[in-house]
Amino acid sequence: DAKTTQPTSMNCAEGRAANLPCNHSTISGNEYVYWYRQIHSQGPQYIIHGLKNNETNEMASLIITEDRKSSTLILPHATLRDTAVYYCIVRPGGTGSARQLTFGSGTQLTVLP
Amino acid sequence: GAVVSQHPSWVICKSGTSVKIECRSLDFQATTMFWYRQFPKQSLMLMATSNEGSKATYEQGVEKDKFLINHASLTLSTLTVTSAHPEDSSFYICSARNPTNNYGYTFGSGTRLTVV
Repeated sequence: DAKTTQPTSMNCAEGRAANLPCNHSTISGNEYVYWYRQIHSQGPQYIIHGLKNNETNEMASLIITEDRKSSTLILPHATLRDTAVYYCIVRPGGTGSARQLTFGSGTQLTVLP
Repeated sequence: GAVVSQHPSWVICKSGTSVKIECRSLDFQATTMFWYRQFPKQSLMLMATSNEGSKATYEQGVEKDKFLINHASLTLSTLTVTSAHPEDSSFYICSARNPTNNYGYTFGSGTRLTVV
């Protein structure tokens, strides 16, 4: 699976948009970009995923560059409860055989009051 | 949505004893489940892939005789830490492929194991 690079940590003011970048310059054509987050002492939570088009759901938006070498997760109005480690993961998606997710070190997002 | 239930959420055991952790998919069938381990301030590390009706696949460096995995049904996988030692103290997390959101993965809430 393609390797991803994320900043170690970021701060964001409560109520403002949090923009979390991820570089995945070696991504392959069949690989999706997945985002998960892990609040302290809990299991990871799925946020969003995409292949090449921008995606939006009730939690966040995912912006993928045209060359697919990087992406940005956007939390439009961050709250204190969004403080967590955010993981960007690249792997083949779709209906193929189940493969594990490989976690990097992620970005520690701290939302400040 | 798809829910994975993991039990217990925490356990304290004596050194040398065995501990079983259960992972259940509540509203979907999971032919494959994954077991991760997470030490403090570190990321999740895959331990093994649990396959329903067949032997688990272990990652390099993970002792299969120490971490016994059983996946006897499409909704239940168990991880047994045998002859636990203090260095096995960690946060254990299971996950299963989620068929309801275009094949993302749903994770259990994790089990905090402390071996004293």
